[in-house]
Amino acid sequence: GESVGLHLPTLSVQEGDNSIINCAYSNSASDYFIWYKQESGKGPQFIIDIRSNMDKRQGQRVTVLLNKTVKHLSLQIAATQPGDSAVYFCAESPGSSASKIIFGSGTRLSIRP
Amino acid sequence: KAGVTQTPRYLIKTRGQQVTLSCSPISGHRSVSWYQQTPGQGLQFLFEYFSETQRNKGNFPGRFSGRQFSNSRSEMNVSTLELGDSALYLCASSLTPQDQPQHFGDGTRLSIL
Repeated sequence: GESVGLHLPTLSVQEGDNSIINCAYSNSASDYFIWYKQESGKGPQFIIDIRSNMDKRQGQRVTVLLNKTVKHLSLQIAATQPGDSAVYFCAESPGSSASKIIFGSGTRLSIRP
Repeated sequence: KAGVTQTPRYLIKTRGQQVTLSCSPISGHRSVSWYQQTPGQGLQFLFEYFSETQRNKGNFPGRFSGRQFSNSRSEMNVSTLELGDSALYLCASSLTPQDQPQHFGDGTRLSIL
Protein backbone atom coordinates (compact mmCIF):
# COMPACT_ATOMS: atom_id res chain seq x y z
CA GLY A 1 0.00 0.00 0.00
CA GLU A 2 0.96 3.64 -0.07
CA SER A 3 3.30 4.69 2.68
CA VAL A 4 5.51 7.45 3.91
CA GLY A 5 8.67 6.18 5.51
CA LEU A 6 11.85 7.46 7.01
CA HIS A 7 15.30 6.13 6.21
CA LEU A 8 16.54 6.40 9.81
CA PRO A 9 14.52 6.15 13.02
CA THR A 10 17.16 8.03 15.07
CA LEU A 11 19.75 10.66 14.24
CA SER A 12 22.48 12.01 16.54
CA VAL A 13 24.13 15.28 15.54
CA GLN A 14 26.83 17.43 17.06
CA GLU A 15 25.61 20.82 18.24
CA GLY A 16 26.37 23.41 15.59
CA ASP A 17 26.45 20.91 12.73
CA ASN A 18 23.79 20.64 10.05
CA SER A 19 21.12 17.93 10.32
CA ILE A 20 19.52 16.14 7.40
CA ILE A 21 16.39 14.10 7.95
CA ASN A 22 15.16 12.01 5.04
CA CYS A 23 11.76 10.74 4.03
CA ALA A 24 10.54 8.51 1.22
CA TYR A 25 7.03 8.59 -0.16
CA SER A 26 5.32 6.29 -2.60
CA ASN A 27 2.13 8.05 -3.69
CA SER A 28 2.92 9.84 -6.93
CA ALA A 29 -0.41 11.66 -6.64
CA SER A 30 0.76 13.53 -3.54
CA ASP A 31 1.10 17.24 -4.27
CA TYR A 32 1.74 18.69 -0.84
CA PHE A 33 4.35 17.74 1.75
CA ILE A 34 4.80 18.88 5.32
CA TRP A 35 7.40 18.58 8.04
CA TYR A 36 6.33 18.61 11.68
CA LYS A 37 8.42 18.72 14.85
CA GLN A 38 7.14 17.04 17.98
CA GLU A 39 8.80 17.71 21.32
CA SER A 40 8.23 15.50 24.31
CA GLY A 41 4.80 16.06 25.82
CA LYS A 42 3.64 18.32 23.02
CA GLY A 43 1.71 18.03 19.80
CA PRO A 44 3.25 18.21 16.33
CA GLN A 45 4.40 21.70 15.41
CA PHE A 46 4.42 22.81 11.77
CA ILE A 47 7.93 23.56 10.50
CA ILE A 48 7.80 23.95 6.75
CA ASP A 49 5.87 22.72 3.74
CA ILE A 50 6.38 22.40 0.01
CA ARG A 51 4.14 21.82 -2.98
CA SER A 52 4.99 19.46 -5.77
CA ASN A 53 5.63 22.30 -8.23
CA MET A 54 8.71 23.26 -6.20
CA ASP A 55 12.04 21.52 -5.58
CA LYS A 56 13.25 23.56 -2.65
CA ARG A 57 11.89 25.85 -0.01
CA GLN A 58 13.73 27.67 2.73
CA GLY A 59 12.65 28.89 6.11
CA GLN A 60 14.52 30.13 9.11
CA ARG A 61 17.42 27.65 9.51
CA VAL A 62 15.39 24.98 7.74
CA THR A 63 15.27 23.89 4.12
CA VAL A 64 13.02 21.29 2.55
CA LEU A 65 14.09 19.54 -0.64
CA LEU A 66 11.73 17.57 -2.83
CA ASN A 67 12.93 15.10 -5.44
CA LYS A 68 9.89 13.89 -7.31
CA THR A 69 11.91 11.62 -9.57
CA VAL A 70 12.87 9.33 -6.69
CA LYS A 71 9.97 10.31 -4.43
CA HIS A 72 12.24 11.66 -1.73
CA LEU A 73 11.81 14.49 0.74
CA SER A 74 14.43 15.86 3.10
CA LEU A 75 14.59 18.40 5.89
CA GLN A 76 17.84 20.23 6.49
CA ILE A 77 18.41 22.07 9.75
CA ALA A 78 21.33 24.46 9.79
CA ALA A 79 23.52 24.97 12.86
CA THR A 80 21.60 22.46 14.96
CA GLN A 81 20.82 23.64 18.49
CA PRO A 82 19.79 21.76 21.65
CA GLY A 83 16.25 23.07 21.16
CA ASP A 84 16.05 21.14 17.90
CA SER A 85 15.92 17.87 19.83
CA ALA A 86 12.59 16.30 18.93
CA VAL A 87 10.87 13.77 16.71
CA TYR A 88 10.44 14.98 13.15
CA PHE A 89 7.58 13.74 10.97
CA CYS A 90 7.13 14.10 7.27
CA ALA A 91 3.64 13.93 5.86
CA GLU A 92 2.23 13.75 2.35
CA SER A 93 -1.14 14.88 1.15
CA PRO A 94 -2.62 13.63 -2.12
CA GLY A 95 -5.85 15.50 -1.55
CA SER A 96 -7.43 18.48 0.09
CA SER A 97 -8.62 16.67 3.17
CA ALA A 98 -7.13 15.70 6.50
CA SER A 99 -8.32 12.16 5.93
CA LYS A 100 -5.87 11.79 3.07
CA ILE A 101 -2.75 12.98 4.88
CA ILE A 102 -0.25 10.19 5.49
CA PHE A 103 2.25 10.68 8.28
CA GLY A 104 5.64 9.06 8.45
CA SER A 105 6.74 7.16 11.54
CA GLY A 106 9.13 9.90 12.65
CA THR A 107 12.87 10.38 13.20
CA ARG A 108 14.20 11.22 16.62
CA LEU A 109 16.89 13.89 16.45
CA SER A 110 19.26 14.10 19.39
CA ILE A 111 21.94 16.75 19.81
CA ARG A 112 25.39 16.00 21.23
CA PRO A 113 26.97 18.88 23.16
CA LYS B 1 -3.70 34.29 18.94
CA ALA B 2 -4.30 31.21 21.08
CA GLY B 3 -3.48 27.84 19.58
CA VAL B 4 -5.50 24.67 19.54
CA THR B 5 -6.58 23.81 23.09
CA GLN B 6 -7.30 20.29 24.18
CA THR B 7 -8.75 19.25 27.52
CA PRO B 8 -8.06 17.42 29.66
CA ARG B 9 -4.32 16.94 29.14
CA TYR B 10 -4.22 13.64 30.98
CA LEU B 11 -6.90 11.07 31.72
CA ILE B 12 -6.87 7.69 33.39
CA LYS B 13 -9.79 5.34 32.88
CA THR B 14 -10.53 1.67 33.35
CA ARG B 15 -11.72 -0.85 30.80
CA GLY B 16 -15.39 -0.59 29.95
CA GLN B 17 -15.70 3.08 30.85
CA GLN B 18 -16.32 5.84 28.37
CA VAL B 19 -14.50 9.12 27.87
CA THR B 20 -15.10 12.48 26.22
CA LEU B 21 -12.25 14.63 24.96
CA SER B 22 -12.58 18.27 24.01
CA CYS B 23 -10.88 20.44 21.40
CA SER B 24 -11.12 24.18 20.85
CA PRO B 25 -9.65 25.18 17.49
CA ILE B 26 -7.72 28.32 16.69
CA SER B 27 -10.09 31.26 16.51
CA GLY B 28 -11.62 31.43 13.05
CA HIS B 29 -10.72 27.87 12.14
CA ARG B 30 -13.76 25.85 11.19
CA SER B 31 -12.15 22.55 10.23
CA VAL B 32 -11.18 20.16 13.01
CA SER B 33 -9.55 16.75 12.70
CA TRP B 34 -8.73 14.15 15.30
CA TYR B 35 -5.83 11.71 15.33
CA GLN B 36 -4.70 8.85 17.53
CA GLN B 37 -0.98 8.58 18.14
CA THR B 38 0.62 5.41 19.49
CA PRO B 39 4.25 4.22 19.44
CA GLY B 40 3.32 1.23 17.30
CA GLN B 41 0.96 2.80 14.78
CA GLY B 42 2.10 6.41 14.68
CA LEU B 43 -0.44 9.08 13.78
CA GLN B 44 -3.73 7.65 12.56
CA PHE B 45 -6.67 9.67 11.28
CA LEU B 46 -9.90 9.44 13.27
CA PHE B 47 -12.35 12.10 12.05
CA GLU B 48 -12.62 15.33 10.12
CA TYR B 49 -15.32 17.91 10.87
CA PHE B 50 -16.34 21.07 9.10
CA SER B 51 -19.39 23.22 9.76
CA GLU B 52 -20.74 20.72 12.29
CA THR B 53 -20.63 17.91 9.72
CA GLN B 54 -18.38 14.88 9.75
CA ARG B 55 -16.67 14.83 6.37
CA ASN B 56 -14.53 11.75 6.80
CA LYS B 57 -13.91 9.00 9.30
CA GLY B 58 -10.87 6.81 9.65
CA ASN B 59 -10.74 3.07 10.07
CA PHE B 60 -11.78 2.89 13.72
CA PRO B 61 -14.63 0.94 15.35
CA GLY B 62 -18.00 2.49 16.09
CA ARG B 63 -16.96 2.96 19.73
CA PHE B 64 -15.17 6.07 18.50
CA SER B 65 -17.48 8.95 17.74
CA GLY B 66 -17.32 12.70 17.59
CA ARG B 67 -19.17 15.89 16.93
CA GLN B 68 -18.61 19.54 16.20
CA PHE B 69 -20.55 22.45 17.63
CA SER B 70 -21.66 25.67 15.98
CA ASN B 71 -18.68 27.51 17.52
CA SER B 72 -16.37 24.96 15.83
CA ARG B 73 -15.38 23.34 19.11
CA SER B 74 -15.27 19.58 18.82
CA GLU B 75 -15.55 16.60 21.10
CA MET B 76 -14.72 12.98 20.60
CA ASN B 77 -16.12 10.12 22.62
CA VAL B 78 -14.82 6.63 23.11
CA SER B 79 -17.18 4.10 24.70
CA THR B 80 -16.44 0.71 26.23
CA LEU B 81 -12.78 1.52 26.60
CA GLU B 82 -10.20 -1.15 25.85
CA LEU B 83 -6.56 -1.37 26.90
CA GLY B 84 -5.55 -0.75 23.31
CA ASP B 85 -7.22 2.66 23.36
CA SER B 86 -4.36 4.00 25.47
CA ALA B 87 -2.83 6.68 23.29
CA LEU B 88 -2.24 10.37 22.73
CA TYR B 89 -5.30 11.86 21.07
CA LEU B 90 -4.49 14.89 18.98
CA CYS B 91 -6.75 17.54 17.54
CA ALA B 92 -5.77 19.74 14.62
CA SER B 93 -7.52 22.72 13.08
CA SER B 94 -7.41 24.73 9.88
CA LEU B 95 -9.54 27.45 8.31
CA THR B 96 -11.23 25.02 5.95
CA PRO B 97 -10.61 21.38 4.98
CA GLN B 98 -8.66 22.59 1.95
CA ASP B 99 -6.49 24.94 3.98
CA GLN B 100 -3.06 23.58 4.85
CA PRO B 101 -1.21 23.03 7.04
CA GLN B 102 -3.23 21.93 10.02
CA HIS B 103 -2.19 23.18 13.44
CA PHE B 104 -2.12 20.69 16.28
CA GLY B 105 -2.93 20.93 19.95
CA ASP B 106 -0.78 19.25 22.58
CA GLY B 107 -3.16 16.34 22.89
CA THR B 108 -4.91 14.37 25.60
CA ARG B 109 -2.93 11.47 27.02
CA LEU B 110 -5.44 8.68 27.71
CA SER B 111 -4.34 5.74 29.82
CA ILE B 112 -6.55 2.70 30.27
CA LEU B 113 -5.97 0.52 33.31
